[in-house]
This record gives sequence, structure tokens and C-alpha cells, in this order.
Amino acid sequence: AQTVTQSQPEMSVQEAETVTLSCTYDTSESDYYLFWYKQPPSRQMILVIRQEAYKQQNATENRFSVNFQKAAKSFSLKISDSQLGDAAMYFCAYRSARSNSGYALNFGKGTSLLVTP
Amino acid sequence: AAGVIQSPRHLIKEKRETATLKCYPIPRHDTVYWYQQGPGQDPQFLISFYEKMQSDKGSIPDRFSAQQFSDYHSELNMSSLELGDSALYFCASSPRKYRDEQYFGPGTRLTVT
Repeated sequence: AQTVTQSQPEMSVQEAETVTLSCTYDTSESDYYLFWYKQPPSRQMILVIRQEAYKQQNATENRFSVNFQKAAKSFSLKISDSQLGDAAMYFCAYRSARSNSGYALNFGKGTSLLVTP
Repeated sequence: AAGVIQSPRHLIKEKRETATLKCYPIPRHDTVYWYQQGPGQDPQFLISFYEKMQSDKGSIPDRFSAQQFSDYHSELNMSSLELGDSALYFCASSPRKYRDEQYFGPGTRLTVT
């Protein structure tokens, strides 16, 4: 089974600054998908960004970008120009692309991001 | 845009009772996933359905069962509830089984007393 590790239980960033959340994963598969989900206090799970393992180019969505290092099995999330609304729990998630591995998301334990004014 | 609908949003049950959670996927989404998130935990996959057939099974207790109906909505049935079943239950849907991301509903908060 694939494991997803988020080694930072909590992170803090000042408004307008940049922060990077770490995620590593363990897999023997070559084709898979990686995601970052945001869970604010409302507990809604919101997709932030996705990355296909076969793509070398790092995904970007406005202020959010990833640093995908396939060989190192690392998938970090960078948030630029942090805003108060970015404060939330962030989950890194892995999803296999193979039918016999299932398509369920496998989540890390999460990183709680605090944004200070 | 339409989102995943879950009902009820909150549910309080006593031990040994039963509960039924409902999920209405985004229109034209044919795949539904159920996740359980305990307090301070990450979501754990329970079960999924594709085109009304069970697709994958995760850490779903034998006391729980689920199905997907002809209109693609899904129900999670939970019997002999235990205190440890208190959690946030998410339903997610995706338009295709394979490559697309999953869109989560707001969740049902189940409290077992």
C-alpha cells in the first residue's frame, strides 16, 4: 500500500509571505496522481491542485504551485502571497492510476497552516 | 455549478442504533466514493461505486453497507453503531473512474452517544 507522509504537523506564515508544505510518498507504481486538498474550519474538502506523475512540468494554480520530484517521491506545495483565507488543514493525497490498485485517495496526516496578519 | 449533496448534515444516534447517510453526486458523475474522517484524523476510504456496481473496498466495517442507485445517488447504511463511529463522513464523486479528480460533498457529521 502506498503511504503518504506529511512531516510538518503545523506551519505558520505571515500574510503576503510564501510558505512551502512538504509531502513525501512511497510507491512502486510509475503512473499515479498527486493532489493537495485544503480543509478550512468548515471541514469542506477543497481541491487545491493536482499533478499527473507522467508530466514533468510542475502544476500551478494562481498562487499555488507544486515542486514534484518523482525520483525523490516528493510533492511539496508552495503558497505565494499568503492570505488569511489560506489558513486551513492541508492534506496531500495519492491516487493510483492502475485499476487493480483502486482509485481511492490515500491521504497524509495533514499540515495545519496558520496565517498571521 | 452544482456540487455534491449530502444529507443529513448532522446526525445524532445512540449506541446500537442504525443510521443512513445519503449522497447525491454532481450531475453526470457516475463514480461515488465514501470516506470517514475521525476527529483530528485524515479521511479514510470506505467504499466506492462505479456505474451502480461496487468498485473498491477500503476499511469499511462489516456493520456498514452501501449501494448506488439507478439515479447514481448512494446510501451508506450503518448498523449497531459504536461510539467510535462518531466522525465526519464524506461522499465524493468524479465524472469518470479513471483520471479525474474527486469532488467532495460538505460531509455528514455523525455523533454516536
